[in-house]
Amino acid sequence: GENVEQHPSTLSVQEGDSAVIKCTYSDSASNYFPWYKQELGKRPQLIIDIRSNVGEKKDQRIAVTLNKTAKHFSLHITETQPEDSAVYFCAAGGGTGGFKTIFGAGTRLFVKA
Amino acid sequence: NAGVTQTPKFQVLKTGQSMTLQCAQDMNHNSMYWYRQDPGMGLRLIYYSASEGTTDKGEVPNGYNVSRLNKREFSLRLESAAPSQTSVYFCASSERQGGYQPQHFGDGTRLSIL
Repeated sequence: GENVEQHPSTLSVQEGDSAVIKCTYSDSASNYFPWYKQELGKRPQLIIDIRSNVGEKKDQRIAVTLNKTAKHFSLHITETQPEDSAVYFCAAGGGTGGFKTIFGAGTRLFVKA
Repeated sequence: NAGVTQTPKFQVLKTGQSMTLQCAQDMNHNSMYWYRQDPGMGLRLIYYSASEGTTDKGEVPNGYNVSRLNKREFSLRLESAAPSQTSVYFCASSERQGGYQPQHFGDGTRLSIL
């Protein structure tokens, strides 16, 4: 079935450094790629998303890139801050399953002050 | 606006007991979802409702049932709880079918089954 692989599972960076999280998806028909941030004990919240007709999207310190040929997309956070510490989930949707959004297993990001 | 509201926030059950988790959204969204979240496994879809009056199975439906009571409300029922169903349950909604749309999540229900 469809799946989304996410790496790394844990990432520790120094405040001010950049963080990169990578995901690959299996369903080539997927055309919607959201990223969610989940703080400890809280709900997942959408931070950025990209559709398949766009290769890159940026929102302040956060950017997402998509390579449809490789079925690969990445989240880039620049100038990391302690409040960026959270679990980040990538997801792929709109594929063969239509309704489905398949989530990656998550990346726990620690930003050290 | 409250967004997506889930009740209860916490619950402890004994094996074999039944329980209904409630979810309501006030965003006039058409589609609603139930996920479970287990450590290291992301969010796995249990059931979804693409629109009022329809429900369908997701990745892990065994042991669960759902009811789309109206456009606002989507409940999840455990008929005979098992320890393997200990998890955090999230309800979510989207304007249309979720594969193409961002989803809005509730705060979750933390369920422990002894």
